[in-house]
Amino acid sequence: DAGITQSPRHKVTETGTPVTLRCHQTENHRYMYWYRQDPGHGLRLIHYSYGVKDTDKGEVSDGYSVSRSKTEDFLLTLESATSSQTSVYFCATARAGEQFFGPGTRLTVL
Amino acid sequence: AQSVTQPDIHITVSEGASLELRCNYSYGATPYLFWYVQSPGQGLQLLLKYFSGDTLVQGIKGFEAEFKRSQSSFNLRKPSVHWSDAAEYFCAVGAEGSQGNLIFGKGTKLSVKP
Repeated sequence: DAGITQSPRHKVTETGTPVTLRCHQTENHRYMYWYRQDPGHGLRLIHYSYGVKDTDKGEVSDGYSVSRSKTEDFLLTLESATSSQTSVYFCATARAGEQFFGPGTRLTVL
Repeated sequence: AQSVTQPDIHITVSEGASLELRCNYSYGATPYLFWYVQSPGQGLQLLLKYFSGDTLVQGIKGFEAEFKRSQSSFNLRKPSVHWSDAAEYFCAVGAEGSQGNLIFGKGTKLSVKP
């Protein structure tokens, strides 16, 4: 498996505060993704990156931004967190058509 | 539109019984197909994948899946379920040249009765 870590693993924050989640990979994979997972919705793509400084929107990108300044790091930012962004967030990388997942971050917005 | 359908939200089987989880897809290009498993509180782990060739693919933990192009299906099977197989299972579809993007089904939760 690709070495993918996510930080923090758990976070509780208040509505209106900014939040940044970090994904770090050690496999030098070009493609990286941020998903959110909610009951009944499966995995929904938020943003993805196809290289350093190259990113694009996914299915549910409103309220989220991303940055990728280095191959190994992909940051997801909630500029002003809302309760609807309470979810479990997964990072993934891809190589040769296959995706590899991190352990997830559980975010609670009060 | 591209989509993946897993018709069963929740399935319960007895330990030792056989299992089949259904997956149907709608995709314009020749698909790459995947099954992932997620244990509670964990990330997703790849069970098996189909890119081309033999339409019956073997995966980890004794799972297999069969690609049926005529039915747009990629059903997951296991001949004898173990209690440790209780988890959520996700089918996904992608394609060569799609920047690695996958479309996921909404998942099937498997419960195993002793």
